[in-house]
Amino acid sequence: AQKITQTQPGMFVQEKEAVTLDCTYDTSDQSYGLFWYKQPSSGEMIFLIYQGSYDEQNATEGRYSLNFQKARKSANLVISASQLGDSAMYFCAMREEIFSNDYKLSFGAGTTVTVRA
Amino acid sequence: NAGVTQTPKFQVLKTGQSMTLQCAQDMNHEYMSWYRQDPGMGLRLIHYSVGAGITDQGEVPNGYNVSRSTTEDFPLRLLSAAPSQTSVYFCASSSWTGKNYGYTFGSGTRLTVV
Repeated sequence: AQKITQTQPGMFVQEKEAVTLDCTYDTSDQSYGLFWYKQPSSGEMIFLIYQGSYDEQNATEGRYSLNFQKARKSANLVISASQLGDSAMYFCAMREEIFSNDYKLSFGAGTTVTVRA
Repeated sequence: NAGVTQTPKFQVLKTGQSMTLQCAQDMNHEYMSWYRQDPGMGLRLIHYSVGAGITDQGEVPNGYNVSRSTTEDFPLRLLSAAPSQTSVYFCASSSWTGKNYGYTFGSGTRLTVV
């Protein structure tokens, strides 16, 4: 069963506007972590933001914020004031603890964002 | 710079050939893992290791072997390459410490099996 679902294969956004990337997850664990990564056309994986399942406040990192709705199992990424350099593939990922000190990181299929000038 | 180093960056293999993808990290991370990335499927976990001498299977382990003799190195072996193994491979490492158990990724290996 898919643990991470990203329903938007591709999105277009106008420069300087905000964009929201959807991510829903499936887990029965109480303790887990949620990540967003950016993959530009050059191919590297760039860490953007992290939200722990026990964190009461939504995570923010500069222009990135994570809208965490635990009851809905949703962890949407919001990019504010989009820039041309934000054009990339974005992956949502979840870290689950399999057993003590044994973790697995599962990824969604990704969302391609294209920023238009 | 500290990080995860993957070699080679590109490789073309013939069906049935074997090869090893190298991965090394200098951050003293306990956890290392290998992923493959295919279009429309995100990254899928192949094998992972929680420390030297300990490895386990991920989501798509068939056709791949790993070992972890040192904390720094985590090579991925393809014993008999198949066209279905054409993909981009990423190695990642992580520590248990720190706020976000941040994963550091290598730059990837693009493998083509013909």
